[in-house]
Amino acid sequence: GAGVSQSPRYKVAKRGQDVALRCDPISGHVSLFWYQQALGQGPEFLTYFQNEAQLDKSGLPSDRFFAERPEGSVSTLKIQRTQQEDSAVYLCASSLMQGLQETQYFGPGTRLLVL
Amino acid sequence: TQLLEQSPQFLSIQEGENLTVYCNSSSVFSSLQWYRQEPGEGPVLLVTVVTGGEVKKLKRLTFQFGDARKDSSLHITAAQPGDTGLYLCAGAPRSGNTPLVFGKGTRLSVIA
Repeated sequence: GAGVSQSPRYKVAKRGQDVALRCDPISGHVSLFWYQQALGQGPEFLTYFQNEAQLDKSGLPSDRFFAERPEGSVSTLKIQRTQQEDSAVYLCASSLMQGLQETQYFGPGTRLLVL
Repeated sequence: TQLLEQSPQFLSIQEGENLTVYCNSSSVFSSLQWYRQEPGEGPVLLVTVVTGGEVKKLKRLTFQFGDARKDSSLHITAAQPGDTGLYLCAGAPRSGNTPLVFGKGTRLSVIA
């Protein structure tokens, strides 16, 4: 496909369960971002990759959150021992790295509900 | 920490009316972007403004970047029901690839 894809689109987890969210960026895009969007809020930055290198993970809310992009393409956001406050939409965005102002293209998001 | 204050948070207007959404910060941004987000979808870029004082038009939408690059506005002329959605402003703290700082969004409803 031409755009950023994310899977699953919806995930219901019981509190304490581990979850893994997948992001397929646009082919050839160097940069990949993860954002968390709580209900009624704007997206908030979680972490950022340039190729396989995780350059910034300052937005990860706790050590239960872990992200990887081992081959510089697909990325996985893992949340261990999920809590109710983890319920949110998790958005992935990718961009080229060719100029001063880079457009981030967003996927449709994964809606996580922790019961 | 850079913050973007977006107002109003909710806006319900009649078809044909004009409206303005504001995005303000005490911090300077390298650029500011406006996105529109539909339910169940990710944000879609509408415009990027880079230069202080810059004005960009996209059909009935007019975007302005403040002279000091700390604030921006989105003006919609003669709103239509198809304009209904969540409008988000997002600032880039520096040039190049950088995490964006988002406002909380303005949820617009245009009633026919």
